[in-house]
Amino acid sequence: GENVEQHPSTLSVQEGDSAVIKCTYSDSASNYFPWYKQELGKRPQLIIDIRSNVGEKKDQRIAVTLNKTAKHFSLHITETQPEDSAVYFCAASKRAQKLVFGQGTRLTINP
Amino acid sequence: GAVVSQHPSWVICKSGTSVKIECRSLDFQATTMFWYRQFPKQSLMLMATSNEGSKATYEQGVEKDKFLINHASLTLSTLTVTSAHPEDSSFYICSALGQYGNEKLFFGSGTQLSVL
Repeated sequence: GENVEQHPSTLSVQEGDSAVIKCTYSDSASNYFPWYKQELGKRPQLIIDIRSNVGEKKDQRIAVTLNKTAKHFSLHITETQPEDSAVYFCAASKRAQKLVFGQGTRLTINP
Repeated sequence: GAVVSQHPSWVICKSGTSVKIECRSLDFQATTMFWYRQFPKQSLMLMATSNEGSKATYEQGVEKDKFLINHASLTLSTLTVTSAHPEDSSFYICSALGQYGNEKLFFGSGTQLSVL
């Protein structure tokens, strides 16, 4: 089955700097890669997703890149703000099937 | 966006009792729902896949007789933790997949279960 590895487990950046979180997946048949943001005690919120027919997608300060050949995808947050502090999870799935999550990255934005 | 409602948001129960958690899709029909468990500072671990009108599919290591799942309608799935023990204490989250195979998952608000 699919296996998703996420790094780093913790990340601390200065406010205004960029943050990058990376994930690798094992199943070349996976074609859907969402990223979720989870605040303490809350539900995961989908912040951006990408499909395998696209190499990059951007939404304001958030972007995701996908390298199908290498089987890795990354989340990029620019101009970080204190409210970006949370745990971020990547995930991978084949169409309409169960998502497999990465281990999570605890992002802290230092003012 | 689609709304998934989950109740209760937290529950405290005595060891040996059963607890039922409900997951409802409010503005769409969900043919498939998923139940996850999340321990503190850990990732979401899939417990089972719930399909409307059929038996749930459990992940390896998840006891189907302990975690009873019922998906009787296109808008409701329930998870019953039977004979709960302290090690079952966790954050349980449901999620729903749209009716037309849209792979976007919409999560419920989660249920924090504490077993004394």
